[in-house]
Amino acid sequence: AAGVIQSPRHLIKEKRETATLKCYPIPRHDTVYWYQQGPGQDPQFLISFYEKMQSDKGSIPDRFSAQQFSDYHSELNMSSLELGDSALYFCANAPQGIGDDGYTFGSGTRLTVV
Amino acid sequence: AQKITQTQPGMFVQEKEAVTLDCTYDTSDQSYGLFWYKQPSSGEMIFLIYQGSYDEQNATEGRYSLNFQKARKSANLVISASQLGDSAMYFCAMREGSGDRDDKIIFGKGTRLHILP
Repeated sequence: AAGVIQSPRHLIKEKRETATLKCYPIPRHDTVYWYQQGPGQDPQFLISFYEKMQSDKGSIPDRFSAQQFSDYHSELNMSSLELGDSALYFCANAPQGIGDDGYTFGSGTRLTVV
Repeated sequence: AQKITQTQPGMFVQEKEAVTLDCTYDTSDQSYGLFWYKQPSSGEMIFLIYQGSYDEQNATEGRYSLNFQKARKSANLVISASQLGDSAMYFCAMREGSGDRDDKIIFGKGTRLHILP
């Protein structure tokens, strides 16, 4: 079955650089959520999109922005990177109803800022 | 205030034994959903089981079952006949609301489960 695809899997950036993380949802899934998971932490909600519009916002720094495109893929743009931005970044799709109960997560992008 | 509480940071269990991972939650919504996810050392987030607030029966999925006690606001995960491959971090999560397409889920702090041979 098709899953949520994230790219790249690993990314190493220097402080103050920018990074772009991409998320390709399951076909016909119109909602995307972004989460940040620091080392040894639980995933923290950053931002979500429904039908290409921002639907909710969590603890996302002003240095970060995101959007969902017409083909429903989403990109998380991160500028002026800090050491503390080193984390695993997930995107997820919402369940679609009967027989599909769980939020499906991509494999994540592991960002390391040095 | 923490909405999802997992009180066991770590657990050690002998292989083939059953294990219960605790989860309590806090919400004023009548309609909500509860989830358990497994995160192995590889980092992926694997969906295990779901319980809706209006579901009268406890959810089961293979060796996983969810002990849902609504009045106590608890949603413990039970893994029967544990296996070495069950060693991982386990997260309890909740969605508040009826499941509109843009309802997010929030996670507890997680429990790291170690299965001993």
